[in-house]
Amino acid sequence: EVQLLESGGDLVQPGGSLRLSCESSGFIFRNYAMAWVRQAPGKGLEWVSIIGTVRDGRTYYTDSVEGRFTISRDDSKSTLYLQMNSLRVEDTATYYCAKKFSGSYHFDYWGQGALVTVSS
Amino acid sequence: QSVLTQPPSVSGAPGQRVTISCTGSSSNIGAGHDVHWYQQLPGTAPKLFIYGNINRPSGVPDRFSGSKSGTSASLAISGLQAEDEADYYCQSYDNSLRGYVFGTGTKVTVL
Repeated sequence: EVQLLESGGDLVQPGGSLRLSCESSGFIFRNYAMAWVRQAPGKGLEWVSIIGTVRDGRTYYTDSVEGRFTISRDDSKSTLYLQMNSLRVEDTATYYCAKKFSGSYHFDYWGQGALVTVSS
Repeated sequence: QSVLTQPPSVSGAPGQRVTISCTGSSSNIGAGHDVHWYQQLPGTAPKLFIYGNINRPSGVPDRFSGSKSGTSASLAISGLQAEDEADYYCQSYDNSLRGYVFGTGTKVTVL
């Protein structure tokens, strides 16, 4: 059974930093691209970032987080990370870790989410 | 920020058929990218419900069906049931943004 478990969500002040983790199990982690998707309170889903497998290693970001967020992965630990710096109030959201389906642009499994609150 | 437009809400009585539209543009759906649909029950994570425009993952009832034409797609729910009350989001890929895009979301209410 595929499981994705996010951790690291917290309350942080504007300008602060936070690192989210997503521990994965039930599939061969290194073979799949992984992504972060966020949802602000009462709002819709927004794709944040995606990282390819070690074979391509490419990373992509939505414009609003480019230069502030960094996605990475540790295949030895089957864990995905999101380092978030220079956090803004508008980054407040539940952040979901998602597994990308190979050969398609969709996400077949999602974690339960981690809440990040940016407030003074 | 969403580049895919959905109606905010749709409703129907139990047993009725409802459809949710997802309107995109020539840089996403119209460019040939597939449309996928997710169901999000209150307080839970999204769950894949339709992928590749028309395909249902294992466990998704066949009451749910997807279609795509031109720059739009639709999700139909036949024989509406109380358990179908949820938010539904379409999703595709956008060439101009070079990223994944979601719809604005539609809340389905069973009357």
